[in-house]
Amino acid sequence: DAKTTQPPSMDCAEGRAANLPCNHSTISGNEYVYWYRQIHSQGPQYIIHGLKNNETNEMASLIITEDRKSSTLILPHATLRDTAVYYCIVRVGNNQGGKLIFGQGTELSVKP
Amino acid sequence: GAGVSQSPSNKVTEKGKDVELRCDPISGHTALYWYRQRLGQGLEFLIYFQGNSAPDKSGLPSDRFSAERTGESVSTLTIQRTQQEDSAVYLCASSLRDNEQFFGPGTRLTVL
Repeated sequence: DAKTTQPPSMDCAEGRAANLPCNHSTISGNEYVYWYRQIHSQGPQYIIHGLKNNETNEMASLIITEDRKSSTLILPHATLRDTAVYYCIVRVGNNQGGKLIFGQGTELSVKP
Repeated sequence: GAGVSQSPSNKVTEKGKDVELRCDPISGHTALYWYRQRLGQGLEFLIYFQGNSAPDKSGLPSDRFSAERTGESVSTLTIQRTQQEDSAVYLCASSLRDNEQFFGPGTRLTVL
């Protein structure tokens, strides 16, 4: 079973920041938080991952609370092409663990 | 460079027939994964190969499902005596050790 809970859907206006929350209250000390997204009819795409520090890359920022029980993925300037299902996944280790356990994700709709 | 490729892109078969799905991972990627995605659902892990280690088969739903991988290259997922509930998109992913997973476009299997 997935160890994360996410809202099933969210809307965001084009050009605004999209903030996608994720709860992972049972996360263990050696588990990382990963985010993937799946655009309709495509395979999932990696976005970002982190352990306890906030992370930023060219796609997004990841904010992890100090107790690590929740996190937020931020798309700073959402575009219509960011419409997708966003999956928050916790996974053992940075170089271990193999499989990803996907939950239902959040369906983000970016509207003009 | 070339990404993960899968073939065929679509497969329609009759109940009871066997099917073989193929995955060509990114060259040099040591880890390879198979997932299944039923219509409107999240991804389900099926099987994971890492180098010469014994594969993690914990996600295979029944003994009708099997997979092989030749070294660190091509993998085939075989479904014997297909059933209608096997209808889904079968996704393959590869990664360098166990870092970010790169997904292929998937094979859409329809069992009539």
